[in-house]
Amino acid sequence: DIQMTQSPSSLSASVGDRVTITCQASQDISNYLNWYQQKPGKAPKLLIYDASNLETGVPSRFSGSGSGTDFTFTISSLQPEDIATYYCQQYDNLPLYTFGQGTKLEIK
Amino acid sequence: EVQLVESGGGLVQPGGSLRLSCAASGFTVSSNYMSWVRQAPGKGLEWVSVIYSGGSTYYADSVKGRFTISRHNSKNTLYLQMNSLRAEDTAVYYCARVRWSGVGAAPADYWGQGTLVTVSS
Repeated sequence: DIQMTQSPSSLSASVGDRVTITCQASQDISNYLNWYQQKPGKAPKLLIYDASNLETGVPSRFSGSGSGTDFTFTISSLQPEDIATYYCQQYDNLPLYTFGQGTKLEIK
Repeated sequence: EVQLVESGGGLVQPGGSLRLSCAASGFTVSSNYMSWVRQAPGKGLEWVSVIYSGGSTYYADSVKGRFTISRHNSKNTLYLQMNSLRAEDTAVYYCARVRWSGVGAAPADYWGQGTLVTVSS
């Protein structure tokens, strides 16, 4: 089974800061990686698909990069509404989906 | 507008059964991959099951043999039949549409609001 290691597990940053979250796969997953945002009490929301593609309607301050085993999610300038937990998720044959442990982002 | 509305959650005793429903609008369930994802209280996301447009089904090891995913085409509704429930199945259950173009990371692009299942005596 493919394991996803997401770090950090929590992060505190100031408005306007550049924020980076990493996700590492236990084996090569090409670009089969998505990123989601989840606000408290809400369903997850797709932000980035196929490692680097911005979902329609998502602000351009969000971006993703990487391939193979190492991936990065970046918020270029943190906004107050970005407070949430962020998850990476890989797609493979079986099991079909694996999520990272999540990164809880807070405002400093 | 795409919408997914889950229902059927509630309190059930260990060993009991529950059927979750996910009513879809704005797209056709049978033409898409559809998935269930759960989240235990205060925990992360866990994929549970998926049904392909062709009808193939897959399950996480933690629910295999106990849960069954299905769909009703004329009702445009996805289901999750949960049997032999355990305390560790307590979670919010989300249904999600999986966007699959034949290649890529199959992202879950639309999600329901979730329904809470509590397994307790």
